[in-house]
Amino acid sequence: GDSVTQMEGPVTLSEEAFLTINCTYTATGYPSLFWYVQYPGEGLQLLLKATKADDKGSNKGFEATYRKETTSFHLEKGSVQVSDSAVYFCAPGQGSQGNLIFGKGTKLSVKP
Amino acid sequence: DAGVIQSPRHEVTEMGQEVTLRCKPISGHDYLFWYRQTMMRGLELLIYFNNNVPIDDSGMPEDRFSAKMPNASFSTLKIQPSEPRDSAVYFCASSPGRISYNEQFFGPGTRLTVL
Repeated sequence: GDSVTQMEGPVTLSEEAFLTINCTYTATGYPSLFWYVQYPGEGLQLLLKATKADDKGSNKGFEATYRKETTSFHLEKGSVQVSDSAVYFCAPGQGSQGNLIFGKGTKLSVKP
Repeated sequence: DAGVIQSPRHEVTEMGQEVTLRCKPISGHDYLFWYRQTMMRGLELLIYFNNNVPIDDSGMPEDRFSAKMPNASFSTLKIQPSEPRDSAVYFCASSPGRISYNEQFFGPGTRLTVL
């Protein structure tokens, strides 16, 4: 069945460090791909998305590219800030079924 | 746009009591999802609806849990009787459906504590 594997955390970085959170998936067809972010005490909110192969989603300095050949959607940011401390979820869509498959989440802590 | 609305935001109850969580999805959205989040198990999909019809309830933990969607603007998740292991944050989310490529919009969650 469809599944997603996300880099386990927690990840601790210093401010201005480079961030990569790996995400790979298995799915039927070519699903849309999403990264969600959850700040402490809040619900999940969409960070970025890509709907077809080679698309690059970007938002708030974060980027992820839809790699069909490697079935990956790695999240990157060139220079993290303390305010980026949160839990990040990778989530491929499950096609016509309308739902998302969420990864286990990666907790990021950024130290000043 | 008010977003997805959940109530109550916090609920504290005693074991054995009935708990009802409520959700109002974004107007015009065809899909509604109920999730549970705990430290141990992470984010779990409990059930989801399409056009008010339950599509997949395989994530509902046991018969103590039930969910309904009587109309397009309201859904409930009920736990009867509640147990301490039900303590978690429960999220409701809605989606416009395939036209949005499955994007979901989450509510703020209900933090449930069962004593």
